[in-house]
Amino acid sequence: GDSVTQTEGQVALSEEDFLTIHCNYSASGYPALFWYVQYPGEGPQFLFRASRDKEKGSSRGFEATYDKGTTSFHLRKASVQESDSAVYYCALGDYNYAQGLTFGLGTRVSVFP
Amino acid sequence: AQTIHQWPVAEIKAVGSPLSLGCTIKGKSSPNLYWYWQATGGTLQQLFYSITVGQVESVVQLNLSASRPKDDQFILSTEKLLLSHSGFYLCAWMGTANERLFFGHGTKLSVL
Repeated sequence: GDSVTQTEGQVALSEEDFLTIHCNYSASGYPALFWYVQYPGEGPQFLFRASRDKEKGSSRGFEATYDKGTTSFHLRKASVQESDSAVYYCALGDYNYAQGLTFGLGTRVSVFP
Repeated sequence: AQTIHQWPVAEIKAVGSPLSLGCTIKGKSSPNLYWYWQATGGTLQQLFYSITVGQVESVVQLNLSASRPKDDQFILSTEKLLLSHSGFYLCAWMGTANERLFFGHGTKLSVL
């Protein structure tokens, strides 16, 4: 079945550091890819999505580019702030994702002042 | 604007007791509805989805059931709770454009 792999389980950074979270997927065709962010005690919040090869999604300074060749959708941010501390989830929806999204294991990002 | 409301916010229940969690979506006609479960520190595991009133599909078996009695309401329940049911339960909806999932604030369940 479809799956999403996030390589980093936890990332610790200082403010103004560059953030990369790796996300690779396994699915047939052209799945839609998503990034969500979750703060403690809350539901996940949508960051952005992409559904075509080379399409770039971005929001709040975060960005990711859909790469079908490498089956990747890596999340990047040039300069993180303490308020970016949260858990980030990569997710996938296949052609009929009315049935729901498949989430990766999540990456806990801690940013220290 | 669409709003999603989950109830209760938190529950502490005994093993073997029944459970009912609810979710209501306002401002959106005929949404697709979803239940997700999250163990403490864990990922989001989809449990059920519903495309229309009265129809619910199970994604994973966890001794839970779900029902959609109204267009805007989604209920998660079980007659007998297990310790493994502890966690964070999230209701979500998606519009017909299938653009993204919108999550509620969740219900924290502790089974003792």
